[in-house]
Amino acid sequence: EAGVVQSPRYKIIEKKQPVAFWCNPISGHNTLYWYLQNLGQGPELLIRYENEEAVDDSQLPKDRFSAERLKGVDSTLKIQPAELGDSAVYLCASSPVVSSYNEQFFGPGTRLTVL
Amino acid sequence: GNSVTQMEGPVTLSEEAFLTINCTYTATGYPSLFWYVQYPGEGLQLLLKATKADDKGSNKGFEATYRKETTSFHLEKGSVQVSDSAVYFCALSDNGGSNYKLTFGKGTLLTVNP
Repeated sequence: EAGVVQSPRYKIIEKKQPVAFWCNPISGHNTLYWYLQNLGQGPELLIRYENEEAVDDSQLPKDRFSAERLKGVDSTLKIQPAELGDSAVYLCASSPVVSSYNEQFFGPGTRLTVL
Repeated sequence: GNSVTQMEGPVTLSEEAFLTINCTYTATGYPSLFWYVQYPGEGLQLLLKATKADDKGSNKGFEATYRKETTSFHLEKGSVQVSDSAVYFCALSDNGGSNYKLTFGKGTLLTVNP
């Protein structure tokens, strides 16, 4: 079974430029998460989707970040414009259904460097 | 709010040494507890979990016991291998309400030397 796929794996951009990350979850997983992982820190949730609905986006900086999950499968996370402080790893995860056990399956992440 | 505190790294051990990585948590309600591992260049993988007090999670020789009285979930392995070198994250999921997000500790880098 294929795991969570993310692209690109690495991205280098100049500040004020836009950038987008793509995620394809495990087939059949209804729940999709985007996490931000700063260097030396654990991941922090940005947004959670149940199918195509964003049910928790309280931690998403909506002035510059946006996300979508059309048709409840693939998802895109966008930053516009990027700032130096956005340099981090962006992780996508999925799970079959939301449950209290909440086992999540993570992709390899996209490492963003903003110059 | 929920929080997870992990032992500061890095931790460097020789092969076959005993490993302990401490993890304590603060949570409302009765969380589920997890250890995730991140090998170089890869995504996080679930290593083990425990969903209620006194449960012991185990996998690949690693163990952790959910201790409600001390709010701890320490990771242990009796004999580490070079291939265990990775970053280990302790995490919790609040089982109450509709908050299903994982709260992670900062991670502990483990290096095992031959």
